[in-house]
Amino acid sequence: KAGVTQTPRYLIKTRGQQVTLSCSPISGHRSVSWYQQTPGQGLQFLFEYFSETQRNKGNFPGRFSGRQFSNSRSEMNVSTLELGDSALYLCASSLGRGRATDTQYFGPGTRLTVL
Amino acid sequence: AQTVTQSQPEMSVQEAETVTLSCTYDTSESDYYLFWYKQPPSRQMILVIRQEAYKQQNATENRFSVNFQKAAKSFSLKISDSQLGDAAMYFCALSGGSNYKLTFGKGTLLTVNP
Repeated sequence: KAGVTQTPRYLIKTRGQQVTLSCSPISGHRSVSWYQQTPGQGLQFLFEYFSETQRNKGNFPGRFSGRQFSNSRSEMNVSTLELGDSALYLCASSLGRGRATDTQYFGPGTRLTVL
Repeated sequence: AQTVTQSQPEMSVQEAETVTLSCTYDTSESDYYLFWYKQPPSRQMILVIRQEAYKQQNATENRFSVNFQKAAKSFSLKISDSQLGDAAMYFCALSGGSNYKLTFGKGTLLTVNP
């Protein structure tokens, strides 16, 4: 089975721009979660989607949004980019059986640099 | 709220020897899982091992095993016969309840010396 894929792998943007990141889960997985990883804050949960619905959201401003499509693929969008948004964005997928204890499998990440 | 604490920012081990990475956690949930993930320089987060909280038996995956002390809320990872490829950042993580998210520790950077 193919693993979680994320595109693009690297992005360079300037302040004020917006960006869209994409994640394709493992086949059969219906839940997709997004995490931000920075040296200062570590790994922080952004949001989780299951069956095209956002089930949970972390403590991030409204500039961060996401969506999930009927094929379980997910996108996250960051509008009005700030320098502090520079980070590795990780996507993870799980079966989404409705239990919070499902194991999450991660993609390779998208490295976003904001200049 | 759930918290995960890794008190060792860095550890080193000689090739072929054994090393133990520490992790403590806190949660009010009765049904939860604990995980160790490995993140090598490629930045790909790789699942190493997981432990169901309701199981008393410690999980084992080849050279990796855990010491799960539920009452003490401790979850350490033991790596036996360390190999150069084990060098990475190791994260302890917790999921449970209705949060549908992983809560991570700050990580332990493991160096393996030849």
